[in-house]
Amino acid sequence: DAKTTQPPSMDCAEGRAANLPCNHSTISGNEYVYWYRQIHSQGPQYIIHGLKNNETNEMASLIITEDRKSSTLILPHATLRDTAVYYCIVRVARGSQGNLIFGKGTKLSVKP
Amino acid sequence: GAVVSQHPSWVICKSGTSVKIECRSLDFQATTMFWYRQFPKQSLMLMATSNEGSKATYEQGVEKDKFLINHASLTLSTLTVTSAHPEDSSFYICSAYGTASYEQYFGPGTRLTVT
Repeated sequence: DAKTTQPPSMDCAEGRAANLPCNHSTISGNEYVYWYRQIHSQGPQYIIHGLKNNETNEMASLIITEDRKSSTLILPHATLRDTAVYYCIVRVARGSQGNLIFGKGTKLSVKP
Repeated sequence: GAVVSQHPSWVICKSGTSVKIECRSLDFQATTMFWYRQFPKQSLMLMATSNEGSKATYEQGVEKDKFLINHASLTLSTLTVTSAHPEDSSFYICSAYGTASYEQYFGPGTRLTVT
């Protein structure tokens, strides 16, 4: 799977949008961008994934650049409960039973 | 949604003893389960991949005789840490690959402390 690059940490004010960037310049055409987060002492939680188009669900929005070399996860109204480490992972989706390779992620701190 | 459970959620054991951790997919079948280990302030590191009915595949540097993995059914995989030592103290997390959804779902993790 392709490697990703994320800033080690970010701060965000409660109620504001949190925009978490991810670079994946070597992504292949059949690889998806996945986002997971890990709240302290818990297992990772799936957030969202996408291939080319922007995606939105009840948790977040995913914006993927046209060349697919980078993406941004947007938490529209961050709360204190969103404080976590966020992992951006690229991998082949369907048909693959390959493991998820976790990088160091971005530690997001939401402050009151 | 798909749920993966782990038992126990935390365990303390003495050096030299063995500890078994269970990983269950509660509402879906998982032909493949993954075991990760996470040390404090570090990312998740894959230890092994287990496929139902066959031997597990271990990552480089992971001792297969120390970390015994059994995946006897489509909903249960177990990790046994044999002859545990304090350096085995860590957060162990499993994930299950859903054959219907083609996605991975993570358990809540098990905190192992070896004294």
